[in-house]
Amino acid sequence: QVQLQQWGAGLLKPSETLSLTCAVYGGSFGHYSWTWIRQSPAKGLEWLGEVTPSGSTKYNPSLKSRVTLSADTSKKQFSLKLSSVTAADTAVYYCARVGSSPQKFDYWGQGTLVTVSS
Amino acid sequence: DIQMTQSPSSLSASVGDRVTITCRASQSLKSYLNWYQQKPGKAPKLLIYAASILQSGVPSRFSGSGSGTEFTLTISSLQPDDFGTYYCQQSNSIPLTFGGGTRVEIK
Repeated sequence: QVQLQQWGAGLLKPSETLSLTCAVYGGSFGHYSWTWIRQSPAKGLEWLGEVTPSGSTKYNPSLKSRVTLSADTSKKQFSLKLSSVTAADTAVYYCARVGSSPQKFDYWGQGTLVTVSS
Repeated sequence: DIQMTQSPSSLSASVGDRVTITCRASQSLKSYLNWYQQKPGKAPKLLIYAASILQSGVPSRFSGSGSGTEFTLTISSLQPDDFGTYYCQQSNSIPLTFGGGTRVEIK
């Protein structure tokens, strides 16, 4: 059974860089794209972007200048970096697998609450 | 960006009731529409993809229909475990976007 386990710092100060990693257990890493989604009361569920095992990326244009996604096939892990965070970036961040066409998010991590506060 | 609008925003129904949730898109999605269920403190769970295909392991009381800009999620006979918030999500174009959610409460 596919499981995604994510981790990273939960409390940041404004202007710092958010960094989260998601590890994939069970199933194939190399045959899927991987994604990050966040959820806040203000914006609801927001797709941040996706990364392929080879490192190709697609980003949400609203965040493109601040988001970097990467993948490490050897470790079956993928990562999110979000620079210059503000209080508006406070949210629960989820990693997820992008299921094969048609595209859907079929496996999710447990979520990480990230709070940005001075 | 494609805007996704769900209605109602919340509902309360009894066990055994038929429940219908609507999702409207600001432009045509063809059939690139997914539905998720989220329970408090948990990640969303995929229920239906491509508008009408039931995800493996999801009870058959859940069904989806629609194409273009209007879609529905139906629970044929509401069960106690069906409480939570339901979201639609379009996978037609970047950026992928979600509806605002429909909260389902069991009376």
